[in-house]
Amino acid sequence: QKEVEQDPGPLSVPEGAIVSLNCTYSNSAFQYFMWYRQYSRKGPELLMYTYSSGNKEDGRFTAQVDKSSKYISLFIRDSQPSDSATYLCAMSEDDYGQNFVFGPGTRLSVLP
Amino acid sequence: DTEVTQTPKHLVMGMTNKKSLKCEQHMGHRAMYWYKQKAKKPPELMFVYSYEKLSINESVPSRFSPECPNSSLLNLHLHALQPEDSALYLCASSLILLGGTGSPLHFGNGTRLTVT
Repeated sequence: QKEVEQDPGPLSVPEGAIVSLNCTYSNSAFQYFMWYRQYSRKGPELLMYTYSSGNKEDGRFTAQVDKSSKYISLFIRDSQPSDSATYLCAMSEDDYGQNFVFGPGTRLSVLP
Repeated sequence: DTEVTQTPKHLVMGMTNKKSLKCEQHMGHRAMYWYKQKAKKPPELMFVYSYEKLSINESVPSRFSPECPNSSLLNLHLHALQPEDSALYLCASSLILLGGTGSPLHFGNGTRLTVT
């Protein structure tokens, strides 16, 4: 079993849909959770950063962490074609921030 | 534009060449990273520098040689690479917060390296 698993996609949705992207993990020591968006031929861009369990909202994006289920989600409301990218979840155990573990990524296409 | 700047954007080199990748950040971050990313795969950690000292080397072949001249700069020196080393090389940085709430990685846009 991989340490972090993610729906591989690709995922295609119509413009305006609500998108749910998910990661599961096996290491209960993870405390810091991140979502990155990566466009083709670009570096990963930090979207959301959360600590421990709970929800965090930023504009059209909501990150959810359920540590009891070892499950994190990213919701995108009113999806736009510009949201078409690969989404990577990442997590780490400690606040020293050096031991990040990435999921394999989910490719999302939002169709106009 | 990102706050982590990498040069060059693209690099083509032969297996006998020596070249260097450069990374710069001015966010006051004291941890800097090199990652390698192959197509449709997540980034793989290569090296970590903390306070300009090498703290993690993920068993990377010696044909890759990192250098951190100061807290804002990170280099990756390349020598005698193989075609399978062709990839996107990403630099990242983060704050070091001891006992705080942690610090995410901030990536540059990478150098796309092709080894012929």
